[in-house]
Amino acid sequence: QKEVEQNSGPLSVPEGAIASLNCTYSDRGSQSFFWYRQYSGKSPELIMFIYSNGDKEDGRFTAQLNKASQYVSLLIRDSQPSDSATYLCAVYQTGANNLFFGTGTRLTVIP
Amino acid sequence: DTAVSQTPKYLVTQMGNDKSIKCEQNLGHDTMYWYKQDSKKFLKIMFSYNNKELIINETVPNRFSPKSPDKAHLNLHINSLELGDSAVYFCASSQGRVAAFFGQGTRLTVV
Repeated sequence: QKEVEQNSGPLSVPEGAIASLNCTYSDRGSQSFFWYRQYSGKSPELIMFIYSNGDKEDGRFTAQLNKASQYVSLLIRDSQPSDSATYLCAVYQTGANNLFFGTGTRLTVIP
Repeated sequence: DTAVSQTPKYLVTQMGNDKSIKCEQNLGHDTMYWYKQDSKKFLKIMFSYNNKELIINETVPNRFSPKSPDKAHLNLHINSLELGDSAVYFCASSQGRVAAFFGQGTRLTVV
């Protein structure tokens, strides 16, 4: 079982819709969760992190964490074509002292 | 002003050659990383240094050798390059334990 799993997509949503990106993780003891955005041919960019159960909002982005279900999600409200990118979920495992990445979900926002 | 810069951006070389990738950060961060991203976009850590001290050394062939002359620089030397080494290599830095800023990447192609 991979440490972090994501649906590779592609996920297509119309402009203005809500994009929902999901991620599950295997290590129940994980405490910190991160979302990175990677445009094609560019480097990953850290956009959100969450440590506690519940929601964390930053502008149009909301990260949600459910530790009991070992599930993390990223919601993008009012999706824009400029949000089209691959979104990487990452989980920090304290025991391994390491950050594990999922393979990413490719999002396309259709104008 | 580039926060994390790595050179070269592209590297095409023949099998068996030795090559180096350089990385520098001007953010004053204590921790630097090398990541490898394969053709399926899977991002995996290779090494991490904190204040010039190696703290993460994942299972990579010993043909890969990192060197950190000071906390602002982390270079990657690769001996006897193989076809399977072809990938994009990212340098990153952080003040904490999670890579926050990535360089633009070095696309290595071994022919």
